[in-house]
Amino acid sequence: GDSVTQMEGPVTLSEEAFLTINCTYTATGYPSLFWYVQYPGEGLQLLLKATKADDKGSNKGFEATYRKETTSFHLEKGSVQVSDSAVYFCALTSPGTYKYIFGTGTRLKVLA
Amino acid sequence: SAVISQKPSRDICQRGTSLTIQCQVDSQVTMMFWYRQQPGQSLTLIATANQGSEATYESGFVIDKFPISRPNLTFSTLTVSNMSPEDSSIYLCSVDRLAEIQETQYFGPGTRLLVL
Repeated sequence: GDSVTQMEGPVTLSEEAFLTINCTYTATGYPSLFWYVQYPGEGLQLLLKATKADDKGSNKGFEATYRKETTSFHLEKGSVQVSDSAVYFCALTSPGTYKYIFGTGTRLKVLA
Repeated sequence: SAVISQKPSRDICQRGTSLTIQCQVDSQVTMMFWYRQQPGQSLTLIATANQGSEATYESGFVIDKFPISRPNLTFSTLTVSNMSPEDSSIYLCSVDRLAEIQETQYFGPGTRLLVL
């Protein structure tokens, strides 16, 4: 079945460091890919998404490119801030299923 | 994006009791979903709730333990019945909102439940 694999956390970075959180997936067909962020004490917020190969999703300085050849959707940010400290979830959904498959989440801690 | 609210935002309950969680959306949506997020874990889909029909439960979840109502297109409830400490989790509702070509789910803020 479909699955999402994320790098284990926690990830601890200094402010202004470069961030990469790896995400790879297994799916039949052409899924849509998502990154959600969960700030402390809050629910999940959609951060960005991509719906087809080579699409790049971007939001708030974060980017991720849908790579079908490597079945990956890595999240990147050039310069992280303390306010980016949160748990990041990679997810996929296959067309027409409405069912989301989530990765295990990666906790990011950014130090001032 | 949809505006989704949940009540209560958190609760502490005694084992053996039941809690009903409400989810309200600011506009009509076809599909609503209930997820569980156990401490330090990812999200697990409990069930899909469509208006006018029985909820569809995922493997490992049953209606007797997690009864769901969907009386209209903007509201749903999830009841956690006969609670045990293992039910301590964050419970999130989400809605499916057609966005461009592909569906996108938007989540409520969650209900943090602690069972003693």
